[in-house]
Amino acid sequence: KNEVEQSPQNLTAQEGEFITINCSYSVGISALHWLQQHPGGGIVSLFMLSSGKKKHGRLIATINIQEKHSSLHITASHPRDSAVYICAVASGTYKYIFGTGTRLKVLA
Amino acid sequence: DADVTQTPRNRITKTGKRIMLECSQTKGHDRMYWYRQDPGLGLRLIYYSFDVKDINKGEISDGYSVSRQAQAKFSLSLESAIPNQTALYFCATSDLSGGPETQYFGPGTRLLVL
Repeated sequence: KNEVEQSPQNLTAQEGEFITINCSYSVGISALHWLQQHPGGGIVSLFMLSSGKKKHGRLIATINIQEKHSSLHITASHPRDSAVYICAVASGTYKYIFGTGTRLKVLA
Repeated sequence: DADVTQTPRNRITKTGKRIMLECSQTKGHDRMYWYRQDPGLGLRLIYYSFDVKDINKGEISDGYSVSRQAQAKFSLSLESAIPNQTALYFCATSDLSGGPETQYFGPGTRLLVL
């Protein structure tokens, strides 16, 4: 069993829909990151969370440390949100453990 | 200009050839990493370096070697490439100033070994 599990693996939505991507982990962490990987391959960091909730534009990330679970929400989704979203947990002083990603496609 | 750059961006090579992937950063970070990404798998750590004199193996270092030529440069070598090293390779940097670590990724190098 992977230490970081994401669901769903693939998601297709219509423009304007509210989207939720989930991440569960089984190890102790110092922080959890949500990353976005565009079709060209580049990876950018969206959020780093150690507790609570963060919001940036139409993106909202939450984490429940007790339940070892995080969610990434996208409100009013747009085709430019189409990407792979990766959950990564920081475990220890340097080690990241990555989920396998959720491939999101938003249709116009 | 990008803070973390990788060269080449794409490379096709043949089995048995030696190749080097290069990573440069202008962020001034001490920590640098090499990962590979395969379809259906999360990124996996190949090697990491906390400073110029510090090199450490990650979870999948067999078949790879690295060189930290300077704080800003971290190169990954495949001494004798094999087809199962076909993957997308990412360099990343980080530092710990101010709190939990955040890694900054390069654009990736797509490698095909025939």
